[in-house]
Amino acid sequence: GENVEQHPSTLSVQEGDSAVIKCTYSDSASNYFPWYKQELGKRPQLIIDIRSNVGEKKDQRIAVTLNKTAKHFSLHITETQPEDSAVYFCAASISHKLIFGTGTRLQVFP
Amino acid sequence: DAGITQSPRHKVTETGTPVTLRCHQTENHRYMYWYRQDPGHGLRLIHYSYGVKDTDKGEVSDGYSVSRSKTEDFLLTLESATSSQTSVYFCAATAQQQVDRCLAFFGQGTRLTVV
Repeated sequence: GENVEQHPSTLSVQEGDSAVIKCTYSDSASNYFPWYKQELGKRPQLIIDIRSNVGEKKDQRIAVTLNKTAKHFSLHITETQPEDSAVYFCAASISHKLIFGTGTRLQVFP
Repeated sequence: DAGITQSPRHKVTETGTPVTLRCHQTENHRYMYWYRQDPGHGLRLIHYSYGVKDTDKGEVSDGYSVSRSKTEDFLLTLESATSSQTSVYFCAATAQQQVDRCLAFFGQGTRLTVV
């Protein structure tokens, strides 16, 4: 079945710097790749997603890139702010079966 | 929150007892999921459902069963709870926005402790 690997497990950046989180997936049939943000004690919430027929998608300070050949996708956060501090999860979906990575704890220091 | 509620929110139970967690949704979503969240493991899929009475196993299904007799309810049962099943359990449901784009919304989570 599908396996999603996520790196790094923790990431610390200075406010204003960029942050990049990378994921790889194993099943080339996966066709949908969402990213979730989970603040402490709360439920995961969707922040951005990308479909397999798109190479890049942006939403303000957040962007996601997809390399289908290499089975890689990445989350890019620019101009980080303290409120970006949270755990971020990538996921891959095949036939509505949604498999998550192990998460990245992002800390943004003022 | 896309109308997804979990009950109970917290539960402490003894080893060997059966436990049922309930997920209720009000948006008529077809797909529903149960995940467990543990430090270092992220969100792991236990079981999911693609319609009434249609379910399939996920990554960590041993020791768990599910049932979906109505569109709005998805139940997760721990047949005989063990300490390794102490975890935070999240239910999710997906809303199909476009072909191949299914947005998953999560419930608030249930913290289960098996003593």
